[in-house]
Amino acid sequence: AQTVTQSQPEMSVQEAETVTLSCTYDTSESDYYLFWYKQPPSRQMILVIRQEAYKQQNATENRFSVNFQKAAKSFSLKISDSQLGDAAMYFCAYRSKGAQKLVFGQGTRLTINP
Amino acid sequence: DSGVTQTPKHLITATGQRVTLRCSPRSGDLSVYWYQQSLDQGLQFLIQYYNGEERAKGNILERFSAQQFPDLHSELNLSSLELGDSALYFCASSPVGDTEAFFGQGTRLTVV
Repeated sequence: AQTVTQSQPEMSVQEAETVTLSCTYDTSESDYYLFWYKQPPSRQMILVIRQEAYKQQNATENRFSVNFQKAAKSFSLKISDSQLGDAAMYFCAYRSKGAQKLVFGQGTRLTINP
Repeated sequence: DSGVTQTPKHLITATGQRVTLRCSPRSGDLSVYWYQQSLDQGLQFLIQYYNGEERAKGNILERFSAQQFPDLHSELNLSSLELGDSALYFCASSPVGDTEAFFGQGTRLTVV
């Protein structure tokens, strides 16, 4: 079974600075998807970014980018120019290709200091 | 707004009771998923329905059941409730194909 591990329960960063959230996963599959979801205090699960395993190029969405290291099974999220609205729980998630269920990590609580 | 609607937003009930959580997926999405988020277990997949049929099952207790109706809305039924069932229950939906799932705002269930 696939597992996802987020080793940082909490992180904090100064506003306007850059922060990186870590995620590792375990799988025997070669084709899959990885996601970062954001959960602000409103509880809504919001998709931040997604990466397809067969694509070598790291995904980027505005201030959010990932460092996908397939051989190391690592998928970190970099947030540049941190803003107060980025404060939230961030979840890393895995999905097998062809399956729809998501396997989530335990989450990292990100605090932005003004 | 993801387009996925869950009702109610909050629910408080006593142990031993039964509740029904409702989910309306995004327009056109055939797949509906249910997830449970609790402090000790994190976010866990419960069950998936696709166009009315059960497609995948995760760590769903026998006391829990779900269904998807012809209009594609789904209900999650939780019975013989225990204190440990207190959690945030999410519904998500997705269209056909390998795409991401869109989540509702969740139903906060508190069992007292």
